[in-house]
Amino acid sequence: QVQLVESGGGVVQPGRSLRLSCAASGFTLSSSPMHWVRQAPGKGLEWVAVISHDGSNKYYADSVKGRFTISRDNSKNTLYLQMNSLRVEDTAVYYCARETYLAWFDPWGQGTLVTVSS
Amino acid sequence: QTVVTQEPSFSVSPGGTVTLTCGLRSGSVSTNYYPSWYQQTPGQAPRTLIYNTNSRSSGVPDRFSGSILGNKAALTITGAQADDESDYYCVLYMGSGIYVFGSGTKVSVL
Repeated sequence: QVQLVESGGGVVQPGRSLRLSCAASGFTLSSSPMHWVRQAPGKGLEWVAVISHDGSNKYYADSVKGRFTISRDNSKNTLYLQMNSLRVEDTAVYYCARETYLAWFDPWGQGTLVTVSS
Repeated sequence: QTVVTQEPSFSVSPGGTVTLTCGLRSGSVSTNYYPSWYQQTPGQAPRTLIYNTNSRSSGVPDRFSGSILGNKAALTITGAQADDESDYYCVLYMGSGIYVFGSGTKVSVL
């Protein structure tokens, strides 16, 4: 069964850092580009970042560029999102998703909640 | 900054047909943007309905279809059912590794 499971969310103060993980099972992570997508409470989906299958290319939304870093460890079948200089507006459920085809994200994880608050 | 537009809400009667659209504030949507559509119910992760404009994801009922209508991508629900009541999001590939989601459409079936 193809599955993604996120972890690492929690409550953090503004300006601090947090690292999210996304563990893949049922497929080989190294075969696909991987994405992070977030959803603020009561708001819509926002694409955050993508990493190519081998980690050689990374792209970010303007809202997180320079603060967030996407990475992967294919030997551990795990995707990461290092979030630095967190802001209140980064509060959201963070989903990881596999890119099966351009703009086709499937499957999605269940999400992990990040709350940035003093 | 690229803005992808969607209708905020739609209401459809059971058994009726509704067409949601996905446009660009500046420019036209074509197949080159690889539009895809996602359905989301509260508290759940999104579910893929349509990818690459008009390809239906596995297990998605054929009452869901995707197309390009004029200068927008479109998702049509034909024969709406009660459990189609959800939020629907489109996403476009803008090139250079960048993706943008639309703001979402809340569909009510009543």
